[in-house]
Amino acid sequence: AQSVTQLGSHVSVSEGALVLLRCNYSSSVPPYLFWYVQYPNQGLQLLLKYTSAATLVKGINGFEAEFKKSETSFHLTKPSAHMSDAAEYFCAVRPRDDKIIFGKGTRLHILP
Amino acid sequence: DARVTQTPRHKVTEMGQEVTMRCQPILGHNTVFWYRQTMMQGLELLAYFRNRAPLDDSGMPKDRFSAEMPDATLATLKIQPSEPRDSAVYFCASGAGFTIYFGEGSWLTVV
Repeated sequence: AQSVTQLGSHVSVSEGALVLLRCNYSSSVPPYLFWYVQYPNQGLQLLLKYTSAATLVKGINGFEAEFKKSETSFHLTKPSAHMSDAAEYFCAVRPRDDKIIFGKGTRLHILP
Repeated sequence: DARVTQTPRHKVTEMGQEVTMRCQPILGHNTVFWYRQTMMQGLELLAYFRNRAPLDDSGMPKDRFSAEMPDATLATLKIQPSEPRDSAVYFCASGAGFTIYFGEGSWLTVV
């Protein structure tokens, strides 16, 4: 069965510091992987996606993620956090043409 | 700017009442998903359609929930009768290919 594990339900970083949100997945077939962001009282917005091309994927708002097959990971990073990055982030796995399974989410807090 | 449209955005209803939530997927998208989001359970997949045919509704309580796609431009999620534990945000998402795109959600409160 496919699953997604996000380590840390809450992560706090200082403004200007590195953001690292962790995601590990399990899938019986090479998956598509996604990161979505949810701002308060809004729907989920696609940040970036991995679809078996380049393993380092760049997304919107300066975020990027690296697919590491050997570690079954797809961690999200941003070199310098901004106050506007405060939101909830969801990692998701889609085993080819099938339903998307989401992790529990990580709430990112930015400290001034 | 194409987007998934959900109605109603907010709904407060009394226990036992029927609730119908509607979703207009992005034109041309052939897959539609219904998710429920709560603090305790996070995002749960309720139902999944491709080309209007239901592929997976295993996450949906069958006794009170039903999901349909009467046509390619409309997906519905119905709860009858509603219960307080159904209070949640219900998201519709649509896709054509790798990625799915979410609507703004229907915020349901059952009192």
